[in-house]
Amino acid sequence: DTGVSQDPRHKITKRGQNVTFRCDPISEHNRLYWYRQTLGQGPEFLTYFQNEAQLEKSRLLSNRFSAERPKGSFSTLEIQRTEQGDSAMYLCASSFSGGPTEAFFGQGTRLTVV
Amino acid sequence: AQKVTQAQTEISVVEKEDVTLDCVYETRDTTYYLFWYKQPPSGELVFLIRRNSFDEQNEISGRYSWNFQKSTSSFNFTITASQVVDSAVYFCALSEDTGRRALTFGSGTRLQVQP
Repeated sequence: DTGVSQDPRHKITKRGQNVTFRCDPISEHNRLYWYRQTLGQGPEFLTYFQNEAQLEKSRLLSNRFSAERPKGSFSTLEIQRTEQGDSAMYLCASSFSGGPTEAFFGQGTRLTVV
Repeated sequence: AQKVTQAQTEISVVEKEDVTLDCVYETRDTTYYLFWYKQPPSGELVFLIRRNSFDEQNEISGRYSWNFQKSTSSFNFTITASQVVDSAVYFCALSEDTGRRALTFGSGTRLQVQP
């Protein structure tokens, strides 16, 4: 296991379509985070899981967004009825839950809604 | 609420120059963690350093050094003898000690090192 992997790396979709992204965290990590990064900005927190439980969702996460982490392993982030404002880089990170620890990030999925 | 400010949007230096990236943060927590991440053009955020709020010792790692000053709420990052490979966007970030420990990022500083 060499790190956090995300798939796909790039996604172009038409407005109104649904898209789903996948994140495979570092296997020993029980925490998984989703962030969104728009051009020229730092990443912003969207949601996080500890094992399979989704513990918090940011107000940035509209009801068109849903995230899952079945069995506490990989996670998926789905966006329904995409809008042009959803165009961004979606980053996944994983870490341990116990004590202070850095999060390790994947390379992200760049979404373009046309 | 937590906030991280990186006032320098873009810095351009010539190779071998020293450069300092500034970071100022706001938090009401007494215990917190500060981070620096590097984001090269490939997009992946690469962890550089973590510092806890009780440890104000400066740290040096090769050409990189960090200056944490709690009195001014700053956590500045200096690259000595910069190289072209240092060109990237650098993010300062803050997290709480408990709970979600999600990162609050600054807006980043784009560093361009010219040969």
